[in-house]
Amino acid sequence: AQKVTQAQTEISVVEKEDVTLDCVYETRDTTYYLFWYKQPPSGELVFLIRRNSFDEQNEISGRYSWNFQKSTSSFNFTITASQVVDSAVYFCALSEAERDDKIIFGKGTRLHILP
Amino acid sequence: EPEVTQTPSHQVTQMGQEVILRCVPISNHLYFYWYRQILGQKVEFLVSFYNNEISEKSEIFDDQFSVERPDGSNFTLKIRSTKLEDSAMYFCASKEGVPQSSYEQYFGPGTRLTVT
Repeated sequence: AQKVTQAQTEISVVEKEDVTLDCVYETRDTTYYLFWYKQPPSGELVFLIRRNSFDEQNEISGRYSWNFQKSTSSFNFTITASQVVDSAVYFCALSEAERDDKIIFGKGTRLHILP
Repeated sequence: EPEVTQTPSHQVTQMGQEVILRCVPISNHLYFYWYRQILGQKVEFLVSFYNNEISEKSEIFDDQFSVERPDGSNFTLKIRSTKLEDSAMYFCASKEGVPQSSYEQYFGPGTRLTVT
């Protein structure tokens, strides 16, 4: 069965520190997509990244980076030099492309960046 | 940039009342979705819709729920007789391409439904 686990419910770090949000997924498919979304206090879902299962290259976008490791079924997200504006709930998610395309979300990690 | 819009942004209704949440997907998109997020919890899939019929629905999407694309531009979610536990943020999403593809689902800003 498909499942996304974000073991960290809440994290607090001081501004400018680096922080990594963990994500572990389960799927039976060989073709699937992994996502990260940011949900600020205003409530909307902000798309951050989509990665397909055949592309294990790490990705960097500014202060954000993602580490995809199929061997451990993990898709971790790191924010470098965190800022107060990064405070939000972050969701990791999975879509099994071979079966259907609904997105299955993890429970989210609430990130507090302290000034 | 095209975006998914949802109205209203916040809806308050009394228990037992019918409510219709409206979404305008991106104009050339063919696949439509509703998701729900109870306050403080994860986002959950409700239903997907393609070619004027439901493609898949979750256990949450019981007989109280229905979806419709009444006029080729709007995509609606109706809850026939609201319960307190229907209070949540409802997100609409749309996608351009076929399933089993890499086309992105674009999410709307959400409608916060409060049932009193």
